[in-house]
Amino acid sequence: NAGVTQTPKFRVLKTGQSMTLLCAQDMNHEYMYWYRQDPGMGLRLIHYSVGEGTTAKGEVPDGYNVSRLKKQNFLLGLESAAPSQTSVYFCASSHRGLHSEAFFGQGTRLTVV
Amino acid sequence: GNSVTQMEGPVTLSEEAFLTINCTYTATGYPSLFWYVQYPGEGLQLLLKATKADDKGSNKGFEATYRKETTSFHLEKGSVQVSDSAVYFCALSDRANTGNQFYFGTGTSLTVIP
Repeated sequence: NAGVTQTPKFRVLKTGQSMTLLCAQDMNHEYMYWYRQDPGMGLRLIHYSVGEGTTAKGEVPDGYNVSRLKKQNFLLGLESAAPSQTSVYFCASSHRGLHSEAFFGQGTRLTVV
Repeated sequence: GNSVTQMEGPVTLSEEAFLTINCTYTATGYPSLFWYVQYPGEGLQLLLKATKADDKGSNKGFEATYRKETTSFHLEKGSVQVSDSAVYFCALSDRANTGNQFYFGTGTSLTVIP
């Protein structure tokens, strides 16, 4: 069972460069989420999606864009990376059921220099 | 609004000690409550959950009871092992009232020493 798969697992970017993080889930989940995890701050929601073609802003959306063209994929883009975006990024997915839990990927460690 | 507050760490225990990690929540409705565990270098994994008042979630020797009167969901284990060393996150969702987001605490790091 693959579950939630994130690519890449590690990346180093220079300030101003762009990149896309890919999240793929094989559980036919309706909801998908992107979080960032920073020391002492827990998980903060960047953007999320409740279905194909729909996205919404979370707590810290600035500097990021997302797209959900296919139900199983959720892409997170950084158009012009900044050192403040150095973080570990987690994708998660969830069934739409009232009490459903989130399933997480293994994370992407991004360093912006 | 919704929020989760959990005890700050780090917590260091000797093997076979009793563990409690406190978690309290604020929610407008009747949320579902979760405990997640994160081992070094990995993503979060669901440890247990409870979906209504007085429910007890349990898994791998860990337990937590949904207490609506005290808005709490404390995590307990009677005898910890070195392999329990990880970061633990309390979380809630309240889909019936406030949408599809999950709300996480800041995490509590646990180290168990032999």
